[in-house]
Amino acid sequence: AQSVTQLDSQVPVFEEAPVELRCNYSSSVSVYLFWYVQYPNQGLQLLLKYLSGSTLVKGINGFEAEFNKSQTSFHLRKPSVHISDTAEYFCAVTDNQAGTALIFGKGTTLSVSS
Amino acid sequence: EPEVTQTPSHQVTQMGQEVILRCVPISNHLYFYWYRQILGQKVEFLVSFYNNEISEKSEIFDDQFSVERPDGSNFTLKIRSTKLEDSAMYFCASSEDRHQPQHFGDGTRLSIL
Repeated sequence: AQSVTQLDSQVPVFEEAPVELRCNYSSSVSVYLFWYVQYPNQGLQLLLKYLSGSTLVKGINGFEAEFNKSQTSFHLRKPSVHISDTAEYFCAVTDNQAGTALIFGKGTTLSVSS
Repeated sequence: EPEVTQTPSHQVTQMGQEVILRCVPISNHLYFYWYRQILGQKVEFLVSFYNNEISEKSEIFDDQFSVERPDGSNFTLKIRSTKLEDSAMYFCASSEDRHQPQHFGDGTRLSIL
């Protein structure tokens, strides 16, 4: 069975600092990987996705993530964060062979302060 | 940009009552999903729906739950006899194809009293 581990439940950073939100997955088959962001009282918005091809994927709002198959990781990075990046970030995986269900991690709360 | 819309945004229901949560997926999408998020916990998959039938469901999606696409635009989740533990945020999502990214609505907060 697939699972997703987000190693940090909370990440506090100062504005303009770089940030990395960590995500590891466990799966016996090939996967598709996603990062979603959830702002307060809103739904989940897709930040970026890895389906195939280049292991470095770029998303919206200056975020990027790198798929590392040997380490089964898909860490999210941003070189310089803004106050407006404060939100909950979810890593998710789906089996690229049969299933369509997204399996989510528990989420990481990114808090950006000035 | 087209979006998934969900109604109502907040539903309060007495335990044991039936509740229907409604969703309008993005118009050219073919796959539809329901997820739930209990307060403070992770988002959990409930069910996926394609070609007018359930394509996949989780252990959470027991006989109390059902889904329907009653017309060409709506997608509903019915909980037959609600329990206190059904209190959660319920998210609807849709995707163009099986492994394309899923687009989520803003959710319906269901509170069972």
